Amino acid sequence: EPEVTQTPSHQVTQMGQEVILRCVPISNHLYFYWYRQILGQKVEFLVSFYNNEISEKSEIFDDQFSVERPDGSNFTLKIRSTKLEDSAMYFCASTDRRMNTEAFFGQGTRLTVV
Amino acid sequence: AQKITQTQPGMFVQEKEAVTLDCTYDTSDPSYGLFWYKQPSSGEMIFLIYQGSYDQQNATEGRYSLNFQKARKSANLVISASQLGDSAMYFCAIMDSNYQLIWGAGTKLIIKP
Repeated sequence: EPEVTQTPSHQVTQMGQEVILRCVPISNHLYFYWYRQILGQKVEFLVSFYNNEISEKSEIFDDQFSVERPDGSNFTLKIRSTKLEDSAMYFCASTDRRMNTEAFFGQGTRLTVV
Repeated sequence: AQKITQTQPGMFVQEKEAVTLDCTYDTSDPSYGLFWYKQPSSGEMIFLIYQGSYDQQNATEGRYSLNFQKARKSANLVISASQLGDSAMYFCAIMDSNYQLIWGAGTKLIIKP
């Protein structure tokens, strides 16, 4: 069964450092997403990506965040200068249509900023 | 703006009993999708079931069914014959015309042996 793959599963970084979270969406999917879940809280939408550009982003997705699809398979989330409050589980998801189908989620990357 | 409300922060259910997890939503979009995901303690997000706003029939997937009441804007998840492995967080989410998933706060379900 096809799956979304995220690496690393857990990343610890020092405050102020840049991190790149990597995702390999399902190959025939066209829409990609990043969500985050701060421990014990609800899942929050960060950004959606289609046709090599951002479709939608939330207010959480400020200038410290960026996304990229560098090589047609990977989908990355970069946090330029991490803050303590960026500590969360980050989920990548992809779908083959805009809606009316499930979003397949990766296993998540747990980011810990110290 | 879209909104999802899950009013049950936690539930205890006896093994083998059926359980209903509540979800109400608010949207002005005529077309939307409703999703339920399971998040076990390991953290991954597992898709359970989907209901489209124009679907005439309630969705079913094995032991999972969705009690979709469009006029009341509710999409409750029903798990029949609960198992110990069903213990997890359960999230209801709505996908709107902007392709975002908006999530509820979740319900922590604990199945008692």
